[in-house]
Amino acid sequence: QSALTQPASVSGSPGQSITISCTGTSSDVGGYDFVSWYQQHPGKAPKLMIYDVSNRPSGVSNRFSGSKSGNTASLTISGLQAEDEADYYCGSFTSSTTLKFGGGTKLTVL
Amino acid sequence: EVQLLESGGGLVQPGGSLRLSCAASGFTFSSYAMSWVRQAPGKGLEWVSGFSGSGGSTYYADSVKGRFTISRDSSKNTLFLQMNSLRAEDTAIYYCAKVLIAGTTFRGFDPWGQGTLVTVSS
Repeated sequence: QSALTQPASVSGSPGQSITISCTGTSSDVGGYDFVSWYQQHPGKAPKLMIYDVSNRPSGVSNRFSGSKSGNTASLTISGLQAEDEADYYCGSFTSSTTLKFGGGTKLTVL
Repeated sequence: EVQLLESGGGLVQPGGSLRLSCAASGFTFSSYAMSWVRQAPGKGLEWVSGFSGSGGSTYYADSVKGRFTISRDSSKNTLFLQMNSLRAEDTAIYYCAKVLIAGTTFRGFDPWGQGTLVTVSS
């Protein structure tokens, strides 16, 4: 099972917006609206930021938003802040009744 | 407050076995699906196994199928992962995670425990 495809790194300046893509197939991202996004700071456990493509759990800033088109899901962070610097992972339910993660994207706030 | 606390990690030789535990509190354990997710040193996340809520179904990644067994003891609010025939590539931090929405299994994991390190080496 190969991982979902994410860019290795993205960067942006404070106040700007960035988008991280997550590309899969019709057997995972494209086939179900069960895509989630996680934020992980160094040495910490992952934190859920988005579930079911575009829903935010309670307590997550509305600066984080998700969307999907075809086999590609996207996470957008608007009004970048220094604390957003972290690794981000997408995850998707698959037709094999498993969960597949992306390879992760390192976000650098310049 | 929901809390998940993993334990049982350590150093084990290739071919050996280890049993991880995840003690849960702050929610109705039997109503929520749980999963194990691992992260090799410096690498990304890999989903390992899941246990559905009330249904009791289990799911495994191909990389561990036949070697790992997930189980839960609802009387003790504890999730387990029995790991047999361990390989060097199983070396990772193992996290347990609760599903966000009761009645679902894969639609978002929240929260995660702090993780327990498993090292497979001779």
